[in-house]
Amino acid sequence: QQQVKQSPQSLIVQKGGISIINCAYENTAFDYFPWYQQFPGKGPALLIAIRPDVSEKKEGRFTISFNKSAKQFSLHIMDSQPGDSATYFCAASKGNAGKSTFGDGTTLTVKP
Amino acid sequence: DSGVTQTPKHLITATGQRVTLRCSPRSGDLSVYWYQQSLDQGLQFLIQYYNGEERAKGNILERFSAQQFPDLHSELNLSSLELGDSALYFCASSVGPRETQYFGPGTRLLVL
Repeated sequence: QQQVKQSPQSLIVQKGGISIINCAYENTAFDYFPWYQQFPGKGPALLIAIRPDVSEKKEGRFTISFNKSAKQFSLHIMDSQPGDSATYFCAASKGNAGKSTFGDGTTLTVKP
Repeated sequence: DSGVTQTPKHLITATGQRVTLRCSPRSGDLSVYWYQQSLDQGLQFLIQYYNGEERAKGNILERFSAQQFPDLHSELNLSSLELGDSALYFCASSVGPRETQYFGPGTRLLVL
């Protein structure tokens, strides 16, 4: 049973556009929702994270929107750049941030 | 560079063999996490150690074991290897059990 479902699997966006990646979770006990960015040949790197007591968190061009009632959260990348081309993973965990459940990843390609 | 080091970078071995993957956390980090990333399973949390003690366990097979040593480096032991164990194995570290995780570059394991 997959506890975190991520979509789309791949995404192509023009430079300057908005990239939107969605995740849905099942376990209402989850209380920490990070997004990771992974470049080829590198390990994932934490991009931005949110806890369910807020509905939105913004860091630069990256925004997480969180809908607790729908059990969904999404990553928005504004003014997408070719350098943003990477694989993005959402994750969810409860209590101990280490025991995270990851989505399957979204490969983002930003065309110049 | 995240400050987390993993050795070896690549490992090729045969079915039935045993290998040891090594991870050195960032200076000052007490928590170490192990993840497996394969094409069909995505990123899977295996196990977490905090200051030498097991803190959380994920989908880790009984053929796999790990430990964290007094100097805080960690080793992941994989035995009776099967073709399906071929994957990228990542180590991550954090200051505490709920802090931001920093991923190493990974060890790519190929079982032939």
